[in-house]
Amino acid sequence: EIVLTQSPGTLSLSPGERATLSCRASQSVSSSYLAWYQQKPGQAPRLLIYGASSRATGIPDRFSGSGSGTDFTLTISRLEPEDFAVYYCQQYGNSPVTFGQGTKLEIK
Amino acid sequence: EVQLVQSGAEVKKPGESLKISCKGSGYSFTNYWIGWVRQMPGKGLEWMGIIYPGDSDTRYSPSFQGQVTISADKSISTAYLQWSSLKASDTAMYFCARDWHMDVWGTGTTVTVSS
Repeated sequence: EIVLTQSPGTLSLSPGERATLSCRASQSVSSSYLAWYQQKPGQAPRLLIYGASSRATGIPDRFSGSGSGTDFTLTISRLEPEDFAVYYCQQYGNSPVTFGQGTKLEIK
Repeated sequence: EVQLVQSGAEVKKPGESLKISCKGSGYSFTNYWIGWVRQMPGKGLEWMGIIYPGDSDTRYSPSFQGQVTISADKSISTAYLQWSSLKASDTAMYFCARDWHMDVWGTGTTVTVSS
């Protein structure tokens, strides 16, 4: 099973700043089958990025994903108030599918 | 509009059985996998398993194999998650979502197991 480790656990930033979230895999993720999700309290998660770098439908271009192999990054170029939430990475190229433990992005 | 509509909240006693549902609409239900995700109170996301309604091919996470059963009825575009004997530790929110990279999510079903 691939273990995904996200860092940092909590990230405190202000609106307008740039956020960089990391996801490291215990072994290489097949075909860059890596996704990122955003979850707000009381809501279902929302797909942001799939295939490591492809934005899902309707996702603003301030969200971008990069990386391959074992190291992946989600970047939010300029934080909006609605971006403060918990973010999860997921690998779906190897069985079983696994999620990271999450990064909480909070307002500083 | 593509939607997954999940069944309502459940309150059960330990040892009882339960089957929750996830109905797809707005797309070809038989052509996309449907996965299930558990979220325990205040915790992260855990992938449980996935089914392809077209042929009922089902895969489970080892953590959930033997603990739950995933099924689907393609005639009514509905996937199911069931337990034969609930435990208090099954108390959680359960989400269904479309495909391996989960692009459409249900709103979740809260399951509470308490004596």
